[in-house]
This record gives sequence, structure tokens and C-alpha cells, in this order.
Amino acid sequence: DQQVKQNSPSLSVQEGRISILNCDYTNSMFDYFLWYKKYPAEGPTFLISISSIKDKNEDGRFTVFLNKSAKHLSLHIVPSQPGDSAVYFCAAVKSGSRLTFGEGTQLTVNP
Amino acid sequence: NAGVTQTPKFRILKIGQSMTLQCTQDMNHNYMYWYRQDPGMGLKLIYYSVGAGITDKGEVPNGYNVSRSTTEDFPLRLELAAPSQTSVYFCASSTGQRIEAFFGQGTRLTVV
Repeated sequence: DQQVKQNSPSLSVQEGRISILNCDYTNSMFDYFLWYKKYPAEGPTFLISISSIKDKNEDGRFTVFLNKSAKHLSLHIVPSQPGDSAVYFCAAVKSGSRLTFGEGTQLTVNP
Repeated sequence: NAGVTQTPKFRILKIGQSMTLQCTQDMNHNYMYWYRQDPGMGLKLIYYSVGAGITDKGEVPNGYNVSRSTTEDFPLRLELAAPSQTSVYFCASSTGQRIEAFFGQGTRLTVV
């Protein structure tokens, strides 16, 4: 049962444009969501998070939006830079339980 | 500050062999985790620990064992390696389950 899904395996954008990565979840009990970034041959690194009581969290070029009614979250990167090229994982957690990860989306930012 | 350190980085095992993947963290985190990542798949939790002496199964624990005798170390044991265990293994640690986890660089394991 895949409770967290990232339906786009890959995304390609031009440098300077906006990147939008999407994530859907099925478990309404999730109360905290995180995005991780992963470069080849490295472990994932934490990027940004959002609590279920909020609908937006911003950190520099990165903004995460949460739509609880649609069980959907998205990560916006503006402006996109070539160094943002990586695999992005969304993850969700409910109190007392463990992180559940999506499959990941490969972002490529073209110069 | 080293963070989370995994050894080895690469390993090739023959079917039926055993090995231990080492993981150590120097951040005094209570929570530690082992994940595996298969191509095109997300990270699947194998085992986790909420503190020294306490371990629990994750989503895919079959074929693996863990121990947590100290806060710093969380080794993962494969007793009878199978081709299905070919994967990249990540160890991680955190101060809590709702707090972002810090990951090691991974161990790429191939079972032939």
C-alpha cells in the first residue's frame, strides 16, 4: 500500500524558471511532511518541512504547499538553478509512527 | 562533525554469505534507522531504534537483523544473502520521529 506517491519520475526545467514537484498521500492521519534532496552517490539531505496545521512554508527559493482536502503537497523552487538537479523525495509521518517516503522525482535544471 | 558514517561504501556478496553493514553517528541522536532504496522506488524502512537497547521492525525486515547496544552504533546484519537484497542501504539518525533525519552516504550491496 503506497501511502505516499510521487507520480512524476522525472521533471526537466530551464534555469531561472519555476520547478514544481508534486506529492500525493492517502493517509489523512499524516501530520508532518518533509522534502529531501538526493544527489548521486550521496545520502538524502533534508530540505524543508511543513506541519499539517499549515498550508505553506517558505525557505529562501523553496516553498512547500499543503492542500489537506486534496491530500496533496507540492514543492516550488524559484528560480531553479542547475545545482538543484537531484532526486527529490517527499515523506510523511503521523504521530507515534515512522516516516513514509515517496518514490522520488528526478529534477533536471538545464542551463 | 562526521554526522552519520556508513561502512563499507560498496560490497559484493555471494548468495548465502553473511555480512554486517556498520553505521555510527556522533550527534547523540536517540533515533536511528535503516532504509533500503531499490531503483525507481522510494526508501523502505527495514528496522529502526528509538534508543539503546530498543529496536523495532519497519516495512521490510525479513532477512535482516539489528542491534543497538550503544547510542552511537546501529549495525545491520544480513545472515543469508539473497539476490533480492541487492540494493543501496542508508542509515539515518534523528532526535525524534517528526524531526528531519540525517542520512549516511549509503552502502551499495550486490548479491550474486
